[in-house]
Amino acid sequence: DVVMTQSPLSLPVTLGQPASISCRSSQSLAHGDGNTYLNWFQQRPGQSPRRLIYKVSNRDSGVPDRFSGSGSGTDFTLKISRMEAEDVGIYYCMQGTHWPYTFGQGTKLEIK
Amino acid sequence: QVQLQESGPGLVKPSETLSLTCAVSGASVSSYAWGWIRQPPGKGLDWVGYKSYSGKTNYNPSLKSRLNISLDTPKNHFSLELSSVTAADTAVYYCGRDNWGSIDFWGQGVLVTVSS
Repeated sequence: DVVMTQSPLSLPVTLGQPASISCRSSQSLAHGDGNTYLNWFQQRPGQSPRRLIYKVSNRDSGVPDRFSGSGSGTDFTLKISRMEAEDVGIYYCMQGTHWPYTFGQGTKLEIK
Repeated sequence: QVQLQESGPGLVKPSETLSLTCAVSGASVSSYAWGWIRQPPGKGLDWVGYKSYSGKTNYNPSLKSRLNISLDTPKNHFSLELSSVTAADTAVYYCGRDNWGSIDFWGQGVLVTVSS
C-alpha cells in the first residue's frame, strides 16, 4: 500500500497567520492518464470529512480561496493563507492513484 | 445537492455480519462509484471498498475475504456486508461517492460497535 506521511501532526496557529501542512507519499502519485489524484479533506470536530482540494490544486465549490494545494510526484502541501476560527479541525491528505486508496495520519490544526 | 445517509445496527456481536445501507439522493447509483470508508474511534480514515454500476469493484485487500458491497438501483442505495467481525471492526462507517480517486460527497457516518 502507498504510505502517506503528513507533517506536522499537530499545528497550533495564531488567528490571521498562515499555516502549511506537508504530505509525502511512498510512491509517485502521477497516474498514467496524466492526472495526480491527491486530495485534501477537512474534518471538523464531530463532523464527517469534507473535501477541500482534489487533483492536487483544484478547490471544491464553496471552499474559501485562503485554502490552496500544490505539489507533484510524492511531495504535496496544503496552505491556509490566514487562519480563521472555523478552520480548526483535522486535515487529511488522501491518494486516489493506487488501490487501496490511502489517507495520511491527519494533522490537527488548532488556534494558538 | 448529493446527499448520503447511512443506516444499520449500531451494535454487532463478534463473529456475526455487519450490514449497513447508504441511501442516496440527488444522484443515481447508476453513475459514478460508491464506497465505504471507516474510522476507528480516535483514529484516522481507512478505505473499505467501492463498487460502480459498470461492475468495477475494489475491496481493501485486508478485508476482501469478508467484504461485499452491492448496489440497488431501484431503491437508489448501496450496501456493505462485512462478515466474521471482531472488535477491530469497531468504527464509524462513512459512505461516499467515489469520483475519480476522490470522495466528493460523504454521509454523516454511523458508529458500529462490535461487542457481545
